[in-house]
Amino acid sequence: AQSVTQPDIHITVSEGASLELRCNYSYGATPYLFWYVQSPGQGLQLLLKYFSGDTLVQGIKGFEAEFKRSQSSFNLRKPSVHWSDAAEYFCAVGTKAAGNKLTFGGGTRVLVKP
Amino acid sequence: GAVVSQHPSRVICKSGTSVKIECRSLDFQATTMFWYRQFPKQSLMLMATSNEGSKATYEQGVEKDKFLINHASLTLSTLTVTSAHPEDSSFYICSARRGGGITDTQYFGPGTRLTVL
Repeated sequence: AQSVTQPDIHITVSEGASLELRCNYSYGATPYLFWYVQSPGQGLQLLLKYFSGDTLVQGIKGFEAEFKRSQSSFNLRKPSVHWSDAAEYFCAVGTKAAGNKLTFGGGTRVLVKP
Repeated sequence: GAVVSQHPSRVICKSGTSVKIECRSLDFQATTMFWYRQFPKQSLMLMATSNEGSKATYEQGVEKDKFLINHASLTLSTLTVTSAHPEDSSFYICSARRGGGITDTQYFGPGTRLTVL
């Protein structure tokens, strides 16, 4: 069975500082990996995804993520956060073996200090 | 990106009544739609997967007679919470996907907050 763990429930970061959100997955093979952001009143928005190839993927809003097979991780990073990045972030994993469905991590709430 | 809408955004109902939530893909045809439930400060839990014109596939532990899902067209899926009780109060989120594969992007609706008194 596939599973996703986001170890950090809350992260507070100063505006302009860098941000890294951790995501660890459990699956026997390489899964399909996703990062979504959820803002109040809006649906989850896809930031980026990894299927294969280059392990460093670029997404929208200046985010990037790196797939590390040896660590079963897919951490999300942003070099300089903006106040508008305050939101809930979800890592998700999907596999064909699991019926092409997504399994979400518990989420990390990001607070941005002025 | 594609747009998925949900209606209503909020609903309050009395215990024992039924509530219908609509999910529409506004600018694309969705082969597959998903319904999730999100408890406060928790993650999304998949309730069921529906494909247009066929019966929904429910996740383990989800009562199919309580949470009725109808995917009547390629742009509309409905979730009906029957005989709602306070423990059904939650945030319900739908998503829609053009194709059936995991590489097809899922687009999410803004969610519906259900409060059962």
